[in-house]
Amino acid sequence: GQQLNQSPQSMFIQEGEDVSMNCTSSSIFNTWLWYKQDPGEGPVLLIALYKAGELTSNGRLTAQFGITRKDSFLNISASIPSDVGIYFCAGDNAGGTSYGKLTFGQGTILTVHP
Amino acid sequence: ETGVTQTPRHLVMGMTNKKSLKCEQHLGHNAMYWYKQSAKKPLELMFVYNFKEQTENNSVPSRFSPECPNSSHLFLHLHTLQPEDSALYLCASSQVSAGGGQPQHFGDGTRLSIL
Repeated sequence: GQQLNQSPQSMFIQEGEDVSMNCTSSSIFNTWLWYKQDPGEGPVLLIALYKAGELTSNGRLTAQFGITRKDSFLNISASIPSDVGIYFCAGDNAGGTSYGKLTFGQGTILTVHP
Repeated sequence: ETGVTQTPRHLVMGMTNKKSLKCEQHLGHNAMYWYKQSAKKPLELMFVYNFKEQTENNSVPSRFSPECPNSSHLFLHLHTLQPEDSALYLCASSQVSAGGGQPQHFGDGTRLSIL
């Protein structure tokens, strides 16, 4: 089946630093999604990307859909303590008779030191 | 998010017990999903329901039995589980249509522990 390689697996940064994480795939996706999961909660959608080359921002977050449709990155600028959590990428090949089956990356654990 | 509600939040059960997990979505979506989240593993899709019909069973053991009585409710019936089934079980919903769909929205999960 399809697999996503997400890196890095974990990051330890100082408050105020910028963060970058990415996902790569051996196959093409039509949609890339980025989720954040806080302890004891379910994943929450941060950004959705629908077109190759698309660059989308959500506050301090910026994500891009790679032009090859096989990769995506997420940047967080000026990190704050509440950015702590696990960040997941997900690819979706919904279309035709497919019903939005998502393939998830392994997650990036982000720790922010005050 | 309160759009997808899962109960119970925590469940401890023995291997011979029968229990059910419940999921309810208040978003008007037409598709619902069950995922298993184990430590240090990507989320694993278990079942997909679209318009109340099961469209995906991702090689899940028969000790997990899903039920979708309507497009707003989804259950996961558990019977004779194994210790390796201990995990966080997440429910999600989305609006899908031919040729595409909207991103999935997740509940906060049920933390299941098998004794």
